[in-house]
Amino acid sequence: QVQLVQSGAEVKKPGASVKVSCKAAGYTFTRYAMHWVRQAPGQRLEWMGWINGDNGNTKYSEKLQDRVTITRDTSASAAYMELSSLRSEDTAVYYCAREIYGSGSYEVYFDHWGQGTLVTVSS
Amino acid sequence: QSVLTQPPSVSGAPGQRVTIPCTGSSSNIGAGYAVHWYQQLPGTVPKLLIYSNTNRPSGVPDRFSASKSGTSASLAITGLQAEDEADYYCQSYDHSLSGSYVFGTGTKVTVV
Repeated sequence: QVQLVQSGAEVKKPGASVKVSCKAAGYTFTRYAMHWVRQAPGQRLEWMGWINGDNGNTKYSEKLQDRVTITRDTSASAAYMELSSLRSEDTAVYYCAREIYGSGSYEVYFDHWGQGTLVTVSS
Repeated sequence: QSVLTQPPSVSGAPGQRVTIPCTGSSSNIGAGYAVHWYQQLPGTVPKLLIYSNTNRPSGVPDRFSASKSGTSASLAITGLQAEDEADYYCQSYDHSLSGSYVFGTGTKVTVV
């Protein structure tokens, strides 16, 4: 069965960077894109960006594009999300989510999610 | 940032029908992009509930249904059960700015 297993919780100081991993199992990693979504405490889901599992192409949200980098290692079937210049507002649970692309234009939804990684930014 | 707007909360008694609207604009739902819905039980990971406007993944009860019209979409839960108490999010694509996937503001469903 499909599994996305993320790295453990992190505590970082403002200005630092964090890198979260997402290891995939149960499917061919290169056949699917992986997205990253975050959720601040008590807040809504926020889309951060995605990476094409095959060619490594990426696209980021306009809000975060200057600070986020998504990469992948096909040999490890893993995706990574690095967020730099951390601020207190970046305190959130970060999820990786596997993309399913439907038949329509930009018809993308997420059928499997990682368990989430809590990143706390505090001085 | 582009958003899809949902009411913060809806409530209903067991067995009742509740609906959750998701209001967008001409750059997302109104442009014809598909809408998907997720259920997030307290303290858990979001779960795909409805995909491509109206379709239920295997295992999702048929008490859950959804529709889309114009710049809005809607999720309906009929025969409300205590286990349906959760947060619900709509999701679509928005072509404004540089284009991005967007989630709704979220709705807490309470079974009273």
